[in-house]
Amino acid sequence: AQSVTQLDSQVPVFEEAPVELRCNYSSSVSVYLFWYVQYPNQGLQLLLKYLSGSTLVKGINGFEAEFNKSQTSFHLRKPSVHISDTAEYFCAVSEWQAGTALIFGKGTTLSVSS
Amino acid sequence: GAVVSQHPSRVICKSGTSVKIECRSLDFQATTMFWYRQFPKQSLMLMATSNEGSKATYEQGVEKDKFLINHASLTLSTLTVTSAHPEDSSFYICSARDRGGSGNTIYFGEGSWLTVV
Repeated sequence: AQSVTQLDSQVPVFEEAPVELRCNYSSSVSVYLFWYVQYPNQGLQLLLKYLSGSTLVKGINGFEAEFNKSQTSFHLRKPSVHISDTAEYFCAVSEWQAGTALIFGKGTTLSVSS
Repeated sequence: GAVVSQHPSRVICKSGTSVKIECRSLDFQATTMFWYRQFPKQSLMLMATSNEGSKATYEQGVEKDKFLINHASLTLSTLTVTSAHPEDSSFYICSARDRGGSGNTIYFGEGSWLTVV
């Protein structure tokens, strides 16, 4: 079975600073990886996903993530954050070939202040 | 683009009653749908996997007799919370896999807030 560990529960950062949200996964088979954002009292919005190919994945809102198989990581980065990026961020993994569900990490609260 | 619709978006019910939440794939066929529950300020916990035309597969610790899941067609799955209690109050989210195309696309509904009073 797969699992996801988001290493930071809260990440405070100042506006226009860079940010990295860390995600490590565990699985015995090949996986697909996702990052979702959730704003207060709303559903999930897909930021980006890694299925195959280039290990550097670019998503919406200026976010990108890099898949590192040797370190089993899929860290999310943004070079310059905005106040509007304040939200909950979830990393998720799926053993896609098995048709299984996405398994989510516990989430990281990104708080951007001015 | 593809959309997954959940209804109702918010529901309040009395303790002891049952409530049904629908999850529809609007423009694609979904052989598999997934139901999640999210408590405030917590992550999404997978409750069950719903396969069209067969019984749902429940995760450990989820009461199948309390959370009834039906996936009667390729575009509709329902979650019925039976004999609801205040501790069942939560945000319930469904997701659906598009079996067409590459089959590698999964979509989430907007979620349903359940409050049991």
